[in-house]
Amino acid sequence: DVKVTQSSRYLVKRTGEKVFLECVQDMDHENMFWYRQDPGLGLRLIYFSYDVKMKEKGDIPEGYSVSREKKERFSLILESASTNQTSMYLCASTLQGRANYGYTFGSGTRLTVV
Amino acid sequence: KQEVTQIPAALSVPEGENLVLNCSFTDSAIYNLQWFRQDPGKGLTSLLLIQSSQREQTSGRLNASLDKSSGRSTLYIAASQPGDSATYLCAVRRGGSEKLVFGKGTKLTVNP
Repeated sequence: DVKVTQSSRYLVKRTGEKVFLECVQDMDHENMFWYRQDPGLGLRLIYFSYDVKMKEKGDIPEGYSVSREKKERFSLILESASTNQTSMYLCASTLQGRANYGYTFGSGTRLTVV
Repeated sequence: KQEVTQIPAALSVPEGENLVLNCSFTDSAIYNLQWFRQDPGKGLTSLLLIQSSQREQTSGRLNASLDKSSGRSTLYIAASQPGDSATYLCAVRRGGSEKLVFGKGTKLTVNP
């Protein structure tokens, strides 16, 4: 089974801190994604990456950056955490261009910024 | 722009009932459609994926159908159990795009 592993289940950070959320997948997937999920707003795409060192902005990239130095790892960076970034963060991965292949999600990171 | 709608937002049924969850999408040029389950505070678990060329997929007590021309998919759950209580999310992938567009989900409660 494909595994997508997010390094932390829960994080509490202070306003202004630089925060790193890590995601690792073990099935050689080209595509990796970061979403945030908020009540009433659903899942919103922050960034995605289709190859090492390649990235594309999603719907809500402001206040975030990403890094993909190796194919299996995709990091989400909050440059200066703010309280409105308190949320559930979900990482996902998939193969490129395969209609019969779906997304696999990690177990999520609940981030609280105080 | 693709929009995905799931109605109702919440559903409560007695154990043993057969039920249908609905998903509609505005752009029929989809690549595939995926149904997910999410338990409170957890990540998403993939249930079924239907390619655009398919009409339905089955896994155990679950059956998902796809009608591209009308922009609709349904998830049928047979003989519901309390363990089926979760939020069910529908997501579509457009042709030429690697991204999924999600509905906001249907929160299902199965009462013993």
